[in-house]
Amino acid sequence: DAGVIQSPRHEVTEMGQEVTLRCKPISGHDYLFWYRQTMMRGLELLIYFNNNVPIDDSGMPEDRFSAKMPNASFSTLKIQPSEPRDSAVYFCASSRQGLSYEQYFGPGTRLTVT
Amino acid sequence: AQRVTQPEKLLSVFKGAPVELKCNYSYSGSPELFWYVQYSRQRLQLLLRHISRESIKGFTADLNKGETSFHLKKPFAQEEDSAMYYCALKENAGNMLTFGGGTRLMVKP
Repeated sequence: DAGVIQSPRHEVTEMGQEVTLRCKPISGHDYLFWYRQTMMRGLELLIYFNNNVPIDDSGMPEDRFSAKMPNASFSTLKIQPSEPRDSAVYFCASSRQGLSYEQYFGPGTRLTVT
Repeated sequence: AQRVTQPEKLLSVFKGAPVELKCNYSYSGSPELFWYVQYSRQRLQLLLRHISRESIKGFTADLNKGETSFHLKKPFAQEEDSAMYYCALKENAGNMLTFGGGTRLMVKP
């Protein structure tokens, strides 16, 4: 198993552009989490899904951020329009029902907005 | 709301020295506490959980409810322990983890 897969690994874009980050969770996992990591704020939970349904999106910074999970094997995090302060590493993680604390993280997407 | 604090951003020790990575939390209920680790060029992964009371790679962590702490300890640090360590809290009935800011441990030869 390749584990959680994220793409792209690196993204450099200009302010105002739309950015889409992608995640493929581990097969059979029921939970999917999106995190943002910055030096200033550490690792912050943005949103999480259970069985493809968004459960808690209170960490999503503002309306420019949106996340979807159209099926059990794919999720996207979209930023539109992007701003320099969105520059961070974005992680996706997945876990099994009953073991939500044991999260398997992807390699992350390093986003730079210029 | 729950909060996890790791007061040290960087901790540097010599090989063979004891190491303690501090973690304090604030939560009104009965939490579950975890330590996650990210080695260089590897993914963030679960290291240990307080409920299991186990020692992983020589590391232990005891939940002290009186001091609301969950410090990670190892008596003799090894160079391969150099990594980023995150303390995390889960509400008793919840599914989310709240992470601390992380501590980078550097073990010098």
